[in-house]
Amino acid sequence: DAGVIQSPRHEVTEMGQEVTLRCKPISGHNSLFWYRQTMMRGLELLIYFNNNVPIDDSGMPEDRFSAKMPNASFSTLKIQPSEPRDSAVYFCASSQGHQPQHFGDGTRLSIL
Amino acid sequence: RKEVEQDPGPFNVPEGATVAFNCTYSNSASQSFFWYRQDCRKEPKLLMSVYSSGNEDGRFTAQLNRASQYISLLIRDSKLSDSATYLCVVTPSYGQNFVFGPGTRLSVLP
Repeated sequence: DAGVIQSPRHEVTEMGQEVTLRCKPISGHNSLFWYRQTMMRGLELLIYFNNNVPIDDSGMPEDRFSAKMPNASFSTLKIQPSEPRDSAVYFCASSQGHQPQHFGDGTRLSIL
Repeated sequence: RKEVEQDPGPFNVPEGATVAFNCTYSNSASQSFFWYRQDCRKEPKLLMSVYSSGNEDGRFTAQLNRASQYISLLIRDSKLSDSATYLCVVTPSYGQNFVFGPGTRLSVLP
């Protein structure tokens, strides 16, 4: 079975550019989570969706960040405009109910 | 107080040692508990779920103490490959949000 699929694996871009991260959850999972991880702040929950509906976006740092889940098999996390402090590893995870989350390989983002 | 707290370590132990980590949580109504491990530059992966009666998986034993609101992970006969960061995860009774602890770093030394 395919796991959570994220793209791209790596992204290097200049500050001010728009960045779009993509995630395909495991088929049949009804919850999707976006996390950001840095050495300083650890793993932070940005937003999560349940049945494609955003439930809690309190972790989204500011208006430059937005996330969508147009259908059960796809989600995007967008940063516009990007800043160097957004450099981090961004993970997407999915789960079914209270079952454990499964993580994608992550996107390593560097903003120059 | 943070929702989930862990000793960040690092714990440096020799091969073959027994090591234990604790994790405390603040929400007494929390329902589900898990341990994840994360290797350097990799994604977190589920190590084991934690059940009320405690559970064991090979060299790994997880315990839950609801009265004191902590869970523990015991690793026996530690291997070099056990070196990783161990993340405690708690789900509250409401919604489906998973709360991750900051992680405890373990280094098993030859």
